[in-house]
Amino acid sequence: SYVLPQPPSVSVAPGKTARITCGGNNIETKSVHWYQQKPDQAPVLVIYYDSDRPSGIPERFSGSKSGNTATLTISRVEAGDEADYFCHVWDSGSSHPLFGGGTKLTVL
Amino acid sequence: QEQLVESGGGVVQPGKSLRLSCAASGFTFSNYAIHWVRQAPGKGLEWVAGISDVGSNEYYADSVKGRFTISRDNSKNTLYMQLNSLRVEDTAVYYCAREVQWRGIPRLDPWGQGTLVTVSS
Repeated sequence: SYVLPQPPSVSVAPGKTARITCGGNNIETKSVHWYQQKPDQAPVLVIYYDSDRPSGIPERFSGSKSGNTATLTISRVEAGDEADYFCHVWDSGSSHPLFGGGTKLTVL
Repeated sequence: QEQLVESGGGVVQPGKSLRLSCAASGFTFSNYAIHWVRQAPGKGLEWVAGISDVGSNEYYADSVKGRFTISRDNSKNTLYMQLNSLRVEDTAVYYCAREVQWRGIPRLDPWGQGTLVTVSS
């Protein structure tokens, strides 16, 4: 089955840039969405269709894709960005969503 | 605003049943497929089941096929999932999420706040 590996954790100092990756075979052919999940809260969409940003999401959040890796970039990281981040694609073969294992972002 | 609110979770013994509900508001419920996604304590997200906009098609993860049944009542703007033969490993927060399509490519947005199902003897 299709797998979306993510690093378990990423740590960054406030004001710096965090990059969270999401791998996957042929991910370049899929649209990648990213969710932010804070403790005891529902996931919130922060990037969709690789690089689009929903209204209300700060410009500090951006998405990109190159080769077999999609990347969520958070610039000028703030303490409030501390959360779990999940990547998500749609498995066209089975018509259901797939999720990465999640990356815990720690703001030092 | 567009909103989904889950209910029906609780503590149940292995082998027992539970029915979850997901009430929608702020959008035309009958225009969208809806999915259930669960998250075990400290774990990642796992898709569980989905149902098409008019309820004619249902999809299940292998881990729940034959035990869980997804359904919807568009007249009540409500999604359901019947959980039978529950196992300890079904313990999780269960979220409902709307499937939104753009140029034929889906995403899930928004999500409800989740309802906790605990299976324990």
